[in-house]
Amino acid sequence: KAGVTQTPRYLIKTRGQQVTLSCSPISGHRSVSWYQQTPGQGLQFLFEYFSETQRNKGNFPGRFSGRQFSNSRSEMNVSTLELGDSALYLCASSLDPGGDEQYFGPGTRLTVT
Amino acid sequence: KQEVTQIPAALSVPEGENLVLNCSFTDSAIYNLQWFRQDPGKGLTSLLLIQSSQREQTSGRLNASLDKSSGRSTLYIAASQPGDSATYLCAVKPNTGNQFYFGTGTSLTVIP
Repeated sequence: KAGVTQTPRYLIKTRGQQVTLSCSPISGHRSVSWYQQTPGQGLQFLFEYFSETQRNKGNFPGRFSGRQFSNSRSEMNVSTLELGDSALYLCASSLDPGGDEQYFGPGTRLTVT
Repeated sequence: KQEVTQIPAALSVPEGENLVLNCSFTDSAIYNLQWFRQDPGKGLTSLLLIQSSQREQTSGRLNASLDKSSGRSTLYIAASQPGDSATYLCAVKPNTGNQFYFGTGTSLTVIP
């Protein structure tokens, strides 16, 4: 069974631009969560989607948004990029919101210059 | 809000040593606790999951314990190997919501 896949793996953007990251969960998993990882803040929860609906949202500005499609694939979008958005963005999938374990993808490394 | 702390932040041991990594959390109302391993620049690999009703879980050379009432978990690694070098993260899932709260991690180096 294939794991969680994230595309692209690496991305370089300029301040002010916007970016879209994609996550395909494990087949059969319907819940997708997004996390931001930075050296200073560690891993921080962005949001969680289930059945195309956002169920939880972390403490991030409105520039960070996401969506989930009917096939459970999810995208997150960051608009008006800032230098501080440079991070590893990790996606995790689980069977459903009550699922015990989350399985993480390899992440997308975003660098904002 | 749940706060998760891991001590020490970094650890360097010679190959073959047994070692203990610590994780503490402030709110004992947790659903489960999960230990992960992260290699540089990579995603997270799940190591062990402990349900709130359990006291410990074992997988090979790894043993994780949970004391919910005191807000603590430990990850015991037996007979450490250079391949164990990585950052180890603990994460707690509260009783409500599917969000994990992560610790800041312990960076482990096992010296051959």
